[in-house]
Amino acid sequence: NAGVTQTPKFQVLKTGQSMTLQCAQDMNHNSMYWYRQDPGMGLRLIYYSASEGTTDKGEVPNGYNVSRLNKREFSLRLESAAPSQTSVYFCASSPPGGQNTEAFFGQGTRLTVV
Amino acid sequence: GNSVTQMEGPVTLSEEAFLTINCTYTATGYPSLFWYVQYPGEGLQLLLKATKADDKGSNKGFEATYRKETTSFHLEKGSVQVSDSAVYFCACNNAGNMLTFGGGTRLMVKP
Repeated sequence: NAGVTQTPKFQVLKTGQSMTLQCAQDMNHNSMYWYRQDPGMGLRLIYYSASEGTTDKGEVPNGYNVSRLNKREFSLRLESAAPSQTSVYFCASSPPGGQNTEAFFGQGTRLTVV
Repeated sequence: GNSVTQMEGPVTLSEEAFLTINCTYTATGYPSLFWYVQYPGEGLQLLLKATKADDKGSNKGFEATYRKETTSFHLEKGSVQVSDSAVYFCACNNAGNMLTFGGGTRLMVKP
């Protein structure tokens, strides 16, 4: 099982450029998430999707958009990258079950905006 | 909203030493509590969890007990190994599927 797969693993952007981070899961999970990880701040939720066709803002959504393309795929788009968006981005998914269920994470995308 | 506070690292220990990483949370109701581990270059993976007060989660020699009276979920291991070197995250969830993470604690174990 591949689990949660993210592409690319590394990316360098110039300020103002756009890009899309891709995420796919093969576990048939309903819920998917995008987090960013910054030193000393843990993981902060950017957007999530509770099911195919729905998306909602998390703690830090500004500057990002998402698309839940189908049950497997959940993409994160930066329309105009800024240095403050330099971070490590993680996609995750979880099965139904509410607050007791664990989330499964991809290996991350390290993004640098110069 | 929810919040999770962990001790700042890095924590540096010698092999076979006792480990404690403190974690406290603020949340309404009865959240579920988790410890995740992140090895270098990898994503987070679940280490252990507890879903109600006084439950003890355990895995790979690590343990944590859900203490509602002190709103804590401290991680412990009796004898750490070099292979335990990683970043450890405490997290809580009381809003469906949304996890709130602490800032992470880096553990370095020296031979």
